[in-house]
Amino acid sequence: DAGVIQSPRHEVTEMGQEVTLRCKPISGHDYLFWYRQTMMRGLELLIYFNNNVPIDDSGMPEDRFSAKMPNASFSTLKIQPSEPRDSAVYFCASSSLTKATEKLFFGSGTQLSVL
Amino acid sequence: ELKVEQNPLFLSMQEGKNYTIYCNYSTTSDRLYWYRQDPGKSLESLFVLLSNGAVKQEGRLMASLDTKARLSTLHITAAVHDLSATYFCAPRAQKLVFGQGTRLTINP
Repeated sequence: DAGVIQSPRHEVTEMGQEVTLRCKPISGHDYLFWYRQTMMRGLELLIYFNNNVPIDDSGMPEDRFSAKMPNASFSTLKIQPSEPRDSAVYFCASSSLTKATEKLFFGSGTQLSVL
Repeated sequence: ELKVEQNPLFLSMQEGKNYTIYCNYSTTSDRLYWYRQDPGKSLESLFVLLSNGAVKQEGRLMASLDTKARLSTLHITAAVHDLSATYFCAPRAQKLVFGQGTRLTINP
């Protein structure tokens, strides 16, 4: 298995532009998580899905952020409009947490820079 | 709301020494994870601890869990430079919440 695949790896954009981050979870995993990592705030859970349904989006910072999971093999995180304070590394992770010993597998992350 | 505290946040140690990283959490959790992150890289799973008294070991790293005290420890034995990284604990209470991370630097 190729693991969790995120794209793009790096994104540089200007303030006010729309940004879309993409994630393909590991096949068979029924949970998908979006995290954001910054030096100041560490790793923050933004939203997670179970069987393509959003379960908890309390970590989504503002209405500018939205996430979708149209099917079991694809999810997007969109920021519109983007702001410099959104600059961070965004990680997608997937798992099958119903299995007691199952780990959370992380993608390589998207480094977002908003100028 | 689940809160997680790791200490120390920064740790610089000599090769060959032993040390322990502590992870305290605030509410009941049904499992706890330890992750490693190298600079500029993603997170790699180290251990999953499922029950009170659980102990897992891999190489020079040993993790334990005390659910009554809401405490997990990551013990490093005879540290080597390759273990330099940031280590995160993440208890799970419906969702995983990560600690701030402990940046470990091991000097020759």
